[in-house]
Amino acid sequence: GENVEQHPSTLSVQEGDSAVIKCTYSDSASNYFPWYKQELGKRPQLIIDIRSNVGEKKDQRIAVTLNKTAKHFSLHITETQPEDSAVYFCAASSPNAGNEKLTFGTGTRLTIIP
Amino acid sequence: NAGVTQTPKFQVLKTGQSMTLQCAQDMNHNSMYWYRQDPGMGLRLIYYSASEGTTDKGEVPNGYNVSRLNKREFSLRLESAAPSQTSVYFCASRAGGPDTQYFGPGTRLTVL
Repeated sequence: GENVEQHPSTLSVQEGDSAVIKCTYSDSASNYFPWYKQELGKRPQLIIDIRSNVGEKKDQRIAVTLNKTAKHFSLHITETQPEDSAVYFCAASSPNAGNEKLTFGTGTRLTIIP
Repeated sequence: NAGVTQTPKFQVLKTGQSMTLQCAQDMNHNSMYWYRQDPGMGLRLIYYSASEGTTDKGEVPNGYNVSRLNKREFSLRLESAAPSQTSVYFCASRAGGPDTQYFGPGTRLTVL
């Protein structure tokens, strides 16, 4: 089955700087890659996703890049703000499993230092 | 649209007690999921249902049962609760195909 690894597990950046979180996946057929943000005590919420037919997607300060050859994808947050502090999860799904299941990374705790 | 709703929000059980966690979605999604999240850890899939009338085991199904009551509702039952089942339980739903899952607000369960 699919395996997703996420790094780093914790990340602290100065407010205004950029943050990058990286994930690798094992199933070369995987074709859907969402990123979730989970604030303390809240539910995971989708912040951006990318499908395998594109290499990059951007939404304001957030961008995701996908390298299918290397089987890795990354989340980029620019001009970080205190409200970006949260745990971020990457995930992948594969048509080999009917895209039924998401395999999640173990999460990155991002702290923005004012 | 309420999205995905879960009841109850909090629950305390004694070892050996049983209970059912309820989940409902109003987005006409085909697939529904139950996850558990332990402190400082990621999401682990307990059971899922790809369509009404079908259920499948996930990564950590032992000690749990599920029922897909209809397209809207998917319940999770603990027959004999154990302290190891203390966790936050999230329900999620998905329309179909390579698409995202939408999560409910969670149920915080403590088993004493």
